[in-house]
Amino acid sequence: AQSVTQLGSHVSVSEGALVLLRCNYSSSVPPYLFWYVQYPNQGLQLLLKYTSAATLVKGINGFEAEFKKSETSFHLTKPSAHMSDAAEYFCAVSSLEQAGTALIFGKGTTLSVSS
Amino acid sequence: DGGITQSPKYLFRKEGQNVTLSCEQNLNHDAMYWYRQDPGQGLRLIYYSQIVNDFQKGDIAEGYSVSREKKESFPLTVTSAQKNPTAFYLCASSITGAENYGYTFGSGTRLTVV
Repeated sequence: AQSVTQLGSHVSVSEGALVLLRCNYSSSVPPYLFWYVQYPNQGLQLLLKYTSAATLVKGINGFEAEFKKSETSFHLTKPSAHMSDAAEYFCAVSSLEQAGTALIFGKGTTLSVSS
Repeated sequence: DGGITQSPKYLFRKEGQNVTLSCEQNLNHDAMYWYRQDPGQGLRLIYYSQIVNDFQKGDIAEGYSVSREKKESFPLTVTSAQKNPTAFYLCASSITGAENYGYTFGSGTRLTVV
């Protein structure tokens, strides 16, 4: 069965600092991996996705993530945090093995950015 | 513009009442999903539907019901059997058979029991 674990339910950084949000997955077949962002009282917006092409994936708002098969990880990074990045971030996984079912989401990481 | 519309944005329910949350999409997506979100628990799947007139239970279907009579619509009913319905409910849609595509989400409905 597939699963995804987000390490750290809450991450705090200063404005201008590196953002690193961790995601590890479990899958017996090549996975598809996603990062979503959620602002308060809103739906989720897709930040980026890995679909077996380039292992370094660039997304919106300056975020990127690197797929590392050996570490079963898909960590989200941004070189310099902005106040507007404060939100909740979700990692999700699917695969062809799960065709016809639903994405599996992690429990989320809340990012706080201080000035 | 294409998208998913959830209504209402806020909903209040009295004890013992059934309430229905609306979800409509004009993206021509075949698949639709309902998730429940509680603080610290992420998104938990309630029901999903891959095609009209067919749907499957997710991880927490008890106390909920759905219908899929039209491709565009996937309403969720929270019944009186759901003992703790206060939560944020999210609807999503996707292309069927494209597991690498991801979902489009609505803006959510916050349900509160009063």
